[in-house]
Amino acid sequence: DIQMTQFPSTLSASVGDRVTITCRASQNVRRWLAWYQQKPGKAPNVLIYDASSLESGVPSRFSGSGSGTEFTLTISSLQPDDFATYYCQQYNTSSQTFGPGTKVEFK
Amino acid sequence: QITLKESGPTLVKPTQTLTLTCTVSGVSLSARGVGVGWLRQPPGKAPEWLALIYWNDDERYSPTLNRRLSIAKGTSGNQVVLTMTNMDLADTATYYCALKYFWNGYPSTWGQGTLVTVSS
Repeated sequence: DIQMTQFPSTLSASVGDRVTITCRASQNVRRWLAWYQQKPGKAPNVLIYDASSLESGVPSRFSGSGSGTEFTLTISSLQPDDFATYYCQQYNTSSQTFGPGTKVEFK
Repeated sequence: QITLKESGPTLVKPTQTLTLTCTVSGVSLSARGVGVGWLRQPPGKAPEWLALIYWNDDERYSPTLNRRLSIAKGTSGNQVVLTMTNMDLADTATYYCALKYFWNGYPSTWGQGTLVTVSS
């Protein structure tokens, strides 16, 4: 299985901050990577797919980049609704593994 | 609008078999490219793929759990059923069904999830 790591595991930030989360894959996943946002008690919601494509309806302050084994999710100006846990997921292989998550909390 | 909803027991005993049903609306499960999968998320942990079935009945399973899993379409035409045998305490999790198109690698629409607790 491809192992996914994310860092930081927790991120303290304020409204208006630029936030960057990194995801690394143990093997080359090309551009087959998605980012999700999850709030407590809710299902994950896809933000970015194919590493950098914005899912329909997702605010443009979210962006993704990277390829191969290293990827980033950037929130250009953190909003109150963005405090949540973020997961990356590779889908280069049928096992489609997720990263362990990054919790974005109030500073 | 496409929606998915999970149903099934909230509590199962160790060694029992879990059967969950996903009811889908807004899309036909026989439409080309449509797939419905199951994922689970233990408390405080990341989601994990379990199984997937496509419009053409192609089935895919988690390599680590495939011996315990079975996925099938229900007789109603808009349902997908997941069966997991020999449940263990470690299988306590929120179980989600999700829509995944063949040409997309990621699940684009998720159900609300159902918490299944394994306890004697």
